[in-house]
Amino acid sequence: ETGVTQTPRHLVMGMTNKKSLKCEQHLGHNAMYWYKQSAKKPLELMFVYNFKEQTENNSVPSRFSPECPNSSHLFLHLHTLQPEDSALYLCASSQDPGTDTQYFGPGTRLTVL
Amino acid sequence: SQQGEEDPQALSIQEGENATMNCSYKTSINNLQWYRQNSGRGLVHLILIRSNEREKHSGRLRVTLDTSKKSSSLLITASRAADTASYFCATASEANQGGKLIFGQGTELSVKP
Repeated sequence: ETGVTQTPRHLVMGMTNKKSLKCEQHLGHNAMYWYKQSAKKPLELMFVYNFKEQTENNSVPSRFSPECPNSSHLFLHLHTLQPEDSALYLCASSQDPGTDTQYFGPGTRLTVL
Repeated sequence: SQQGEEDPQALSIQEGENATMNCSYKTSINNLQWYRQNSGRGLVHLILIRSNEREKHSGRLRVTLDTSKKSSSLLITASRAADTASYFCATASEANQGGKLIFGQGTELSVKP
C-alpha cells in the first residue's frame, strides 16, 4: 500500500474554497491516473498522464485542474466545487498507460458543503 | 457504454464457503483484471488474465475467462471474514483510447464468521 500515497486522506471544503489533492508514486512508473468513485457508480476515469503529458481528459469540468510536474507526482487542484463532487478520489499509477496493472493509492474522501 | 458488469451486485456467505463472482463485457479485450477494495480505501490488484488464457490461479483465487461468451468469473475458495470487500473486474483493450481500464460496478462480498 505504500507504493502510491495520497494526501490528504479526508477533506471537507466549501463551494468557494480552493484546495489541492496530492499523489506520489514510489514505483518508478510512467503513467498516473485520477479516478472519481461515487456511491453506487463505477469508477470514473478523470485524467491520464504519461511521462508527465496529459493523454486523456475524460470530459472533466474545468473546476478540476490536474498538474503533473514529474512522473512521480500528480496533483488535482479543486476550485468552486459543487456538492455532487463529493466522492472518493483515487490516484493510480502503472508502468505504462494502456493495459498494464494499475496500483492505487488509498484515496482522498472529499466532502463539498 | 459500460464495459464490465459484475454479477451479483451483492453476495453474503458464511466463512469457509466458496464465493463466485461473474463479469461480462461487450468488446474484445487484451486482458481482464480483478481488483479488490476494502471499504473507503484504494483498489488492490488481485489477478490479471490475458485474452489467450482460460484459467489462472493465485492462492485461494481462481479466475476463468471465456472470450467466446465475453465473460469471466472469480472464485474465492474457503472464504474468510477478511475477504469481505468489494470486487471489481476491469477490462483492458488497445481499442480504448489511451488504453484505459474500464471498471464494472463491483460485487459487494460479505463473509460472516
